[in-house]
Amino acid sequence: KAGVTQTPRYLIKTRGQQVTLSCSPISGHRSVSWYQQTPGQGLQFLFEYFSETQRNKGNFPGRFSGRQFSNSRSEMNVSTLELGDSALYLCASSLGVGGTEAFFGQGTRLTVV
Amino acid sequence: AQRVTQPEKLLSVFKGAPVELKCNYSYSGSPELFWYVQYSRQRLQLLLRHISRESIKGFTADLNKGETSFHLKKPFAQEEDSAMYYCALNRGTGANNLFFGTGTRLTVIP
Repeated sequence: KAGVTQTPRYLIKTRGQQVTLSCSPISGHRSVSWYQQTPGQGLQFLFEYFSETQRNKGNFPGRFSGRQFSNSRSEMNVSTLELGDSALYLCASSLGVGGTEAFFGQGTRLTVV
Repeated sequence: AQRVTQPEKLLSVFKGAPVELKCNYSYSGSPELFWYVQYSRQRLQLLLRHISRESIKGFTADLNKGETSFHLKKPFAQEEDSAMYYCALNRGTGANNLFFGTGTRLTVIP
């Protein structure tokens, strides 16, 4: 079956702009989580959506938001971009019940200039 | 609050030598612990999880609740084991909400 797909793979934006990233989970998976990966902070949890509802949220400012659609596809949005938002954004999908494996996408590399 | 510590950023071993990647965690509840691996130019993938107690690619990891550790071990390292390894904790609520350590880059020297 197809893996987790993230689009676009690369993105360059200017400070102050906003950006939307997309994630298509594995068919049948109801949970989608987003992570930010940077050289300085490593992998940090942003938020998780399960059945169209935000189930968990990490410690990021309100400029970071997300949503999940009825087909489990998810988008994350970052408004008023800052240079420090440059990172690899990873999406992971899982069945959504305890102990199940999270499958990661290839990520979207966002560069803010 | 939860925390995952991987004390070694870099680890080099010779092929055929034993390897141990250290992971310590802090969490007051009953966490689920995982090891994820990222090979060059590949996506992050699950290597092991403590609840399944299985051995994958010769790697094992035992959850030691007394020492709050989940070290990854392999008796004989192979060149193909060279990769970035991340220890991760899930709070055990069923959510897909992983807290990662900073990772250890393992290099196996031929």
